[in-house]
Amino acid sequence: AQSVSQHNHHVILSEAASLELGCNYSYGGTVNLFWYVQYPGQHLQLLLKYFSGDPLVKGIKGFEAEFIKSKFSFNLRKPSVQWSDTAEYFCAVIPSGGSYIPTFGRGTSLIVHP
Amino acid sequence: EAQVTQNPRYLITVTGKKLTVTCSQNMNHEYMSWYRQDPGLGLRQIYYSMNVEVTDKGDVPEGYKVSRKEKRNFPLILESPSPNQTSLYFCASSSQRGGGYGYTFGSGTRLTVV
Repeated sequence: AQSVSQHNHHVILSEAASLELGCNYSYGGTVNLFWYVQYPGQHLQLLLKYFSGDPLVKGIKGFEAEFIKSKFSFNLRKPSVQWSDTAEYFCAVIPSGGSYIPTFGRGTSLIVHP
Repeated sequence: EAQVTQNPRYLITVTGKKLTVTCSQNMNHEYMSWYRQDPGLGLRQIYYSMNVEVTDKGDVPEGYKVSRKEKRNFPLILESPSPNQTSLYFCASSSQRGGGYGYTFGSGTRLTVV
């Protein structure tokens, strides 16, 4: 079965700092990769996704992620964070052609100080 | 509006009193799933369903039941709730090919068992 690791459990940044959240997965085949965001008190929302093609994926609100197949990684980045980016971020993987049931990482809590 | 609707949003109950959390989606999705979210543990899958009358256990199914008699509904049943089932629960759905399009999540149900 596949698994997803998010290395940073808690990240605290000041506004305008750059952000990179790590995500690694274990699965030998082709995968679809996702980042979800959960703002305080809200449900999960899709931030961005990768299926195939350009490994650099751009999502909403200035976020982007890069798929590096050789490293089984899909790290999330943002050049300059804002206070409103304070949220929990989840990486998820779905093996292509499988059950379409995602496996989620444990999440990274991001706090951005104004 | 395309959405996943969960009810109730908040529920406090006593140990052993059967309860049902409802989940309904209006997107004609085949795939539906229940997750629980606990601090430090991220999202853990309880049960999932790949279509009507097709359900399967996720990672933490003990103490839960589900049914999928209609495509739009996927209720979560706790026959005899215990305090360790105090958690935040999310229902999610996806189209059959939507493994690549991500999941749509409900707003969550915060359950407290005393």
